[in-house]
Amino acid sequence: SQWGEENLQALSIQEGEDVTMNCSYKTYTTVVHWYRQDSGRGPALIILIRSNEREKRSGRLRATLDTSSQSSSLSITAAQCEDTAVYFCATDAKAGNYKYVFGAGTRLKVIA
Amino acid sequence: DPKIIQKPKYLVAVTGSEKILICEQYLGHNAMYWYRQSAKKPLEFMFSYSYQKLMDNQTASSRFQPQSSKKNHLDLQITALKPDDSATYFCASSHHRGANSDYTFGSGTRLLVI
Repeated sequence: SQWGEENLQALSIQEGEDVTMNCSYKTYTTVVHWYRQDSGRGPALIILIRSNEREKRSGRLRATLDTSSQSSSLSITAAQCEDTAVYFCATDAKAGNYKYVFGAGTRLKVIA
Repeated sequence: DPKIIQKPKYLVAVTGSEKILICEQYLGHNAMYWYRQSAKKPLEFMFSYSYQKLMDNQTASSRFQPQSSKKNHLDLQITALKPDDSATYFCASSHHRGANSDYTFGSGTRLLVI
């Protein structure tokens, strides 16, 4: 899982496999953003899940949010080579805060 | 077409010099931000602006000064550059300042201070 000052994690999977990346946060949050960052580019928002949602889907992506355990996950179903990227979660540092805190990220490599 | 334009894409600077990183967004957003990404570290929040007003400054050093000449511009002036300033600097924007807004990031300016 990723948070704050943790080192960037790396995952390598075969094309077609499912993968789940986890994110835990330390304080109350109203929203968790999941981003992907391709090499040499800025982060791109892929899913935003709010504290009143337990699950959010977008195509092959599924995000969950468990406010009781202060954790979120991002799952990719049937991963494809183009899913290779670094995936970050980001949350507001405290309720209503606009200062996003980013996790260290997970470097996902999908191998054909 | 890129919605957030950052210039230059790459920048090499000499220690002690001053540089300005440019950011323009064409999304009609009211809030803009600067983030820094150093090697092997998470994205680090630096500044937020809303309607051209500085709302938050998380940067300890006064060497970093954001400048907003227009609503859709937020430049970053860095003075007395140090090698530790080497990083990729990302500009971002959102419709409104706040956690529930969708953020859009630029492609970054990669700064190397030698």
